[in-house]
Amino acid sequence: SQTIHQWPATLVQPVGSPLSLECTVEGTSNPNLYWYRQAAGRGLQLLFYSVGIGQISSEVPQNLSASRPQDRQFILSSKKLLLSDSGFYLCAWKAGANVLTFGAGSRLTVL
Amino acid sequence: GQQLNQSPQSMFIQEGEDVSMNCTSSSIFNTWLWYKQDPGEGPVLLIALYKAGELTSNGRLTAQFGITRKDSFLNISASIPSDVGIYFCAGGNAGGTSYGKLTFGQGTILTVHP
Repeated sequence: SQTIHQWPATLVQPVGSPLSLECTVEGTSNPNLYWYRQAAGRGLQLLFYSVGIGQISSEVPQNLSASRPQDRQFILSSKKLLLSDSGFYLCAWKAGANVLTFGAGSRLTVL
Repeated sequence: GQQLNQSPQSMFIQEGEDVSMNCTSSSIFNTWLWYKQDPGEGPVLLIALYKAGELTSNGRLTAQFGITRKDSFLNISASIPSDVGIYFCAGGNAGGTSYGKLTFGQGTILTVHP
């Protein structure tokens, strides 16, 4: 069966520090992968998606970047965090016809 | 871009009551999904709808894909305390340049009082 893992689960970082959130998928090959951000327990905003290794599409201009160094690995990064980067970050993969399966999320607090 | 309007934003109900929430869109979707999110977790798929007019049930949950393809509703019958959480609608379009991306509503926070 397919599983999706995100880590770390919780992260507290100072303003200006770098960020790396990792997401890996098991049990499938060449998945479409997505990073969403959720602010204050409300709606999900699509940040990046990838349809293959090295391919990244950005949905909104921001202080973050994404990379896909391996088929089942998706990384969200920042060189210098802002206060506004705080939030709940969710990785997802396309599990079927227009169905996304989400990881457990990574909660980032920038102080 | 596409936007989904989900209502109500929050609901406070007694255990045993029925719940209804809905989503409307300014654009057409060919897929409507309903997710539930528990605190500190990722959203979990409840129901997927792929055809205009489709009515689908999953236990006490029933969802419909609006005939105009611009709306969907979710009903929960005989609510129980474990129904507490945030419910999200999401719309998507298969194929082309959509790449499986989903647009989400802002969520309905459901509180169930025993």
